[in-house]
Amino acid sequence: ETGVTQTPRHLVMGMTNKKSLKCEQHLGHNAMYWYKQSAKKPLELMFVYNFKEQTENNSVPSRFSPECPNSSHLFLHLHTLQPEDSALYLCASSQESVWYGYTFGSGTRLTVV
Amino acid sequence: GQQVMQIPQYQHVQEGEDFTTYCNSSTTLSNIQWYKQRPGGHPVFLIQLVKSGEVKKQKRLTFQFGEAKKNSSLHITATQTTDVGTYFCAATLTPTNAGGTSYGKLTFGQGTILTVHP
Repeated sequence: ETGVTQTPRHLVMGMTNKKSLKCEQHLGHNAMYWYKQSAKKPLELMFVYNFKEQTENNSVPSRFSPECPNSSHLFLHLHTLQPEDSALYLCASSQESVWYGYTFGSGTRLTVV
Repeated sequence: GQQVMQIPQYQHVQEGEDFTTYCNSSTTLSNIQWYKQRPGGHPVFLIQLVKSGEVKKQKRLTFQFGEAKKNSSLHITATQTTDVGTYFCAATLTPTNAGGTSYGKLTFGQGTILTVHP
């Protein structure tokens, strides 16, 4: 375990479904992130939260909706996704945004059918 | 567009050979981090470099930050099969504030996929 726990590990959903990804860390980190990793593409930053406040939305479509109820938990709500949204979704946390290494979770492998 | 370029995209080596991956930017970088992702796994933080010309070593791994802080390299000496995976650089392109705290973001390179043949 990395200290950052993501659930579920795998998810298959239809384009009309609504699902949520969950991320939890008890490392005492202040910042949490959602990344998308697709085949043959760099890691794409989606959202950044610092002290529960969203500080970055990297032009992500509205069918992805983040939620950060406290500094230990982060959610990614999904609705009406497209097949091209199939990817590995990684959550990460860090002490501060860029001066410390990120701790990544194991990811959720999402398949949209 | 991509502001942190990493090359090569793929590298196949025989066990025992050396390996190097390079990260380049046209922008001065505040810092650079390196991560390793094993096949089927998630990125794991290896190291951070912040000073111009900095060199750090971890066993067979040597990390360098360029004098102009626009490039970095990761060199592995005498590769082993356990070295297989994707190596990513990640850099901060956003200037920090005077207090040293930055709520900017890390930009990841495309990664270099290393295959080691026994």
